[in-house]
Amino acid sequence: AQSVSQHNHHVILSEAASLELGCNYSYGGTVNLFWYVQYPGQHLQLLLKYFSGDPLVKGIKGFEAEFIKSKFSFNLRKPSVQWSDTAEYFCAVRGNQAGTALIFGKGTTLSVSS
Amino acid sequence: ETGVTQSPTHLIKTRGQQVTLRCSSQSGHNTVSWYQQALGQGPQFIFQYYREEENGRGNFPPRFSGLQFPNYSSELNVNALELDDSALYLCASRTGGGLTDTQYFGPGTRLTVL
Repeated sequence: AQSVSQHNHHVILSEAASLELGCNYSYGGTVNLFWYVQYPGQHLQLLLKYFSGDPLVKGIKGFEAEFIKSKFSFNLRKPSVQWSDTAEYFCAVRGNQAGTALIFGKGTTLSVSS
Repeated sequence: ETGVTQSPTHLIKTRGQQVTLRCSSQSGHNTVSWYQQALGQGPQFIFQYYREEENGRGNFPPRFSGLQFPNYSSELNVNALELDDSALYLCASRTGGGLTDTQYFGPGTRLTVL
């Protein structure tokens, strides 16, 4: 079955700490991978995406993610978090065919203290 | 801003009633998808429309139905509401014309079923 697993339900960090959020997926075939962020009271926004090419992708606000095909993983990283990064983070996968929909993980809540 | 709007923002219904939620997408976005996000969970795919035809459906019963209109607006209809239908309903749109297009989400409609 197609699924996305996010390892951490709630992560608590201090400002300037490094962040890594785990994401593993189960999906037959070629996939597109995404990280979305949902700030408190706001709608889902795209952080970054991977379709093909360089497995290390950079997104907005200093975030990056690495696609490791052999591990079916797409972990999100940021070297130094800020208080404003407090939000819900969702990993998602989509098949590489027109018409397929996003499959989301359950999300990771990140709380950053100043 | 994603250019995707949804109405209403909040809605309260009672069990057994019917509800219609609306979404307006960006011009040129031929694909619209609807998702249900229960509290503390990631969005779950309900169905997808491409050029006014349903072309994908998640694991939701037939009482969840939809329509897409030529003016890039769409509707999600839910009949015979149940308590478990209480959730945030998200609309997302994309051009649908290629494999690298990004999905843009609206702010959602918060449905409460009493």
